[in-house]
Amino acid sequence: EPEVTQTPSHQVTQMGQEVILRCVPISNHLYFYWYRQILGQKVEFLVSFYNNEISEKSEIFDDQFSVERPDGSNFTLKIRSTKLEDSAMYFCASSDQVASAFFGQGTRLTVV
Amino acid sequence: GEDVEQSLFLSVREGDSSVINCTYTDSSSTYLYWYKQEPGAGLQLLTYIFSNMDMKQDQRLTVLLNKKDKHLSLRIADTQTGDSAIYFCAESINTDKLIFGTGTRLQVFP
Repeated sequence: EPEVTQTPSHQVTQMGQEVILRCVPISNHLYFYWYRQILGQKVEFLVSFYNNEISEKSEIFDDQFSVERPDGSNFTLKIRSTKLEDSAMYFCASSDQVASAFFGQGTRLTVV
Repeated sequence: GEDVEQSLFLSVREGDSSVINCTYTDSSSTYLYWYKQEPGAGLQLLTYIFSNMDMKQDQRLTVLLNKKDKHLSLRIADTQTGDSAIYFCAESINTDKLIFGTGTRLQVFP
């Protein structure tokens, strides 16, 4: 069964460093998303991406965040200068239509 | 504003039915979803219902939607220990972004 894969599963980084979280969406999907879940809190929407551009973003997704689809298969989330409060589980998702997004297993980001 | 609420815990005996409840505030929801998260794993889409439906059944899962009360429920028949997980309710409102509830931790005991 096709699935969304994310790497790495766990990333530890120092405050102020840049991180890139990687995702390989399901191959025929056209819509891509990033969500995050801070420990003990709700899963929060960050950004959606369609047709090579951001279609919607939340207030969380400020200038420190960016997304890219560099080669037609990967979908990346970059955090330019990490803060302690960026520590969370980051989930990538993809869908072939507006409903039914499929999620990856997540990348746990720990900022120290 | 958009808000989705769930109770935090549910404990059931193996073989019984589980009913997980969810309430939402925005009446213009387009789709409503149930996701399952097992320990250390991602979010698995279980089922979803279009907002003009009031019921959907898929094997052991039954979703009921009461639009008037803005209430969604997930019933799991013959609950098994493998059903132990966190269950998230989510809605989408005219866009493709999902708004998630807090999650309900279902514990199944023998």
